[in-house]
Amino acid sequence: AQSVTQLGSHVSVSEGALVLLRCNYSSSVPPYLFWYVQYPNQGLQLLLKYTTGATLVKGINGFEAEFKKSETSFHLTKPSAHMSDAAEYFCAVSDRIQGAQKLVFGQGTRLTINP
Amino acid sequence: EPEVTQTPSHQVTQMGQEVILRCVPISNHLYFYWYRQILGQKVEFLVSFYNNEISEKSEIFDDQFSVERPDGSNFTLKIRSTKLEDSAMYFCASCLNREQYFGPGTRLTVT
Repeated sequence: AQSVTQLGSHVSVSEGALVLLRCNYSSSVPPYLFWYVQYPNQGLQLLLKYTTGATLVKGINGFEAEFKKSETSFHLTKPSAHMSDAAEYFCAVSDRIQGAQKLVFGQGTRLTINP
Repeated sequence: EPEVTQTPSHQVTQMGQEVILRCVPISNHLYFYWYRQILGQKVEFLVSFYNNEISEKSEIFDDQFSVERPDGSNFTLKIRSTKLEDSAMYFCASCLNREQYFGPGTRLTVT
């Protein structure tokens, strides 16, 4: 069974500092990988995804993530944090099999930006 | 930009009552899902739906739960007899090209 571990339920960075949110997965074969963001009282919005090809993927709002198969990781980064980045971030995986594949989510990381 | 919509945004019900949560997926999507998020916990998969039938369901999705796509647009989740532990945020999602688009959620409070 697939699982996702996000290290750190809360991360706090200063505005302008590097953002690094960690995600490790467990899967028998490399899955598809996703990062979602959830702003207060809103649904989940897709930030970026990795399915195949280049292992460094760029998403919206300046975020990017790198798939490292050897480390079973898909960490999310942003070079310079902005106040508007404060939100909850979820890493998720799904099977590569065709069809209605469910997402398996990590516990989430709440990102706080200090002025 | 097309989006997934959900109604109501907040539903309060008494234990033992039936509730129906409604979703309108994005029109050209073929796969539909329900997830829930209990306060302070992670988002959990409930059920996936394709071609008018359930594709997969989780252990959470027991006989008290059912889903339906009664017409070409709506996708509903019914809980027949709600329990206190059903209190959660329920998200509908629809999928195209392996990207799932989530609705804003319905907060269900069971008292």
